[in-house]
Amino acid sequence: KQEVTQIPAALSVPEGENLVLNCSFTDSAIYNLQWFRQDPGKGLTSLLLIQSSQREQTSGRLNASLDKSSGRSTLYIAASQPGDSATYLCAVMTTDSWGKLQFGAGTQVVVTP
Amino acid sequence: EAGVTQFPSHSVIEKGQTVTLRCDPISGHDNLYWYRRVMGKEIKFLLHFVKESKQDESGMPNNRFLAERTGGTYSTLKVQPAELEDSGVYFCASSQAGGLGQFFGPGTRLTVL
Repeated sequence: KQEVTQIPAALSVPEGENLVLNCSFTDSAIYNLQWFRQDPGKGLTSLLLIQSSQREQTSGRLNASLDKSSGRSTLYIAASQPGDSATYLCAVMTTDSWGKLQFGAGTQVVVTP
Repeated sequence: EAGVTQFPSHSVIEKGQTVTLRCDPISGHDNLYWYRRVMGKEIKFLLHFVKESKQDESGMPNNRFLAERTGGTYSTLKVQPAELEDSGVYFCASSQAGGLGQFFGPGTRLTVL
């Protein structure tokens, strides 16, 4: 049974610092891993999707890495801004459950000006 | 292009009543998913439609929940009769045929009193 864990649960950093968010999963048989952002009272916005054959994906200030063998993914956000304040969620899709995303509990990020 | 839409955004009902949630996926997306987050827990998968067929309904909590997707377009999720523990946020997502990335709607916040 796949379990997805995100540490830390909450993080506060001053503006300009780099953010490092961690996601771990217990079953390495995955199709992909997706990082989302959720603002209070809003839906989920997809940030990056890493397929199982990939090691990383980049979009602007965001970079996500994937190490299937160790069951880890890391989301890096460079030069954080107050607008980056949100909850960040990772979700994995395992090979025996195509379509079904399994989510971590999220990391709540606050970037202070 | 319009995103995934959900109606209503909020619903407050009494225990024992019936509520129907609606999801309109992105046009042309064959895959439609329902998820929910109950208080303090991570987002959990409920079910997955491919067009009008239920591909995976392993996450449906019990037979008080009924999901339909008539004609392979919009979907409804009916809860009858609602219980207190059904309170939470219900998310809908969609993806293209064979698509790995899921796009989420803003969610419906359900409160059962």
